[in-house]
Amino acid sequence: DIQMTQSPSSLSASVGDRVTITCRASQSISSYLNWYQQKPGKAPKLLIYAASSLQSGVPSRFSGSGSGTDFTLTISSLQPEDFATYYCQQSYSTLYSFGQGTKLEIK
Amino acid sequence: EVQLVESGGGLVQPGGSLRLSCAASGFTFSSYEMNWVRQAPGKGLEWVSYISSSGSTIYYADSVKGRFTISRDNAKNSLYLQMNSLRAEDTAVYYCARMVAAAGEGVWFDPWGQGTLVTVSS
Repeated sequence: DIQMTQSPSSLSASVGDRVTITCRASQSISSYLNWYQQKPGKAPKLLIYAASSLQSGVPSRFSGSGSGTDFTLTISSLQPEDFATYYCQQSYSTLYSFGQGTKLEIK
Repeated sequence: EVQLVESGGGLVQPGGSLRLSCAASGFTFSSYEMNWVRQAPGKGLEWVSYISSSGSTIYYADSVKGRFTISRDNAKNSLYLQMNSLRAEDTAVYYCARMVAAAGEGVWFDPWGQGTLVTVSS
């Protein structure tokens, strides 16, 4: 099974900050990596697919990069609505595992 | 509007059974692969099961294999999860999610339903 590890597990930041979240796979997954945002009491929402493709309707301040085993999600200028939990997910293997999540909190 | 609506959650005793449903609308259900994902209270996301568009190919997480059965009825635009021999650790919000695939780009889940809560407790 492919294990996905995110860092940090939690992060405090301020509106306007640039934030980077990292996701590491236990083996190479090419670019088969997705990012989701989840707000309390809500379903996850797709942000980025195939490591760097922005889902339609998602603000351009979100971007993704990486390939192989190391990936990043960057928010260029945090907005109040961005405070949420973020998950990475691999789609290289059919077990579609997720990272443990990164909770982004207001400083 | 593409929409997924889960139902069937509730309180069940350990060892009991429950059947979850997911009603799809706004897209051609029979053309899409579907998944169930769960989230225990205060925890992260755990992929549970996958079913192909025709229902001929199915996968399960090891944690539910042999106890859960995924199925679909394309005529009714519905996805199901039959859960047997339920355990306390199965307590979670269960989401259904449409899977989108693109050659060379992998697959991703979009959209997700609002979720239905399953509580396993005596």
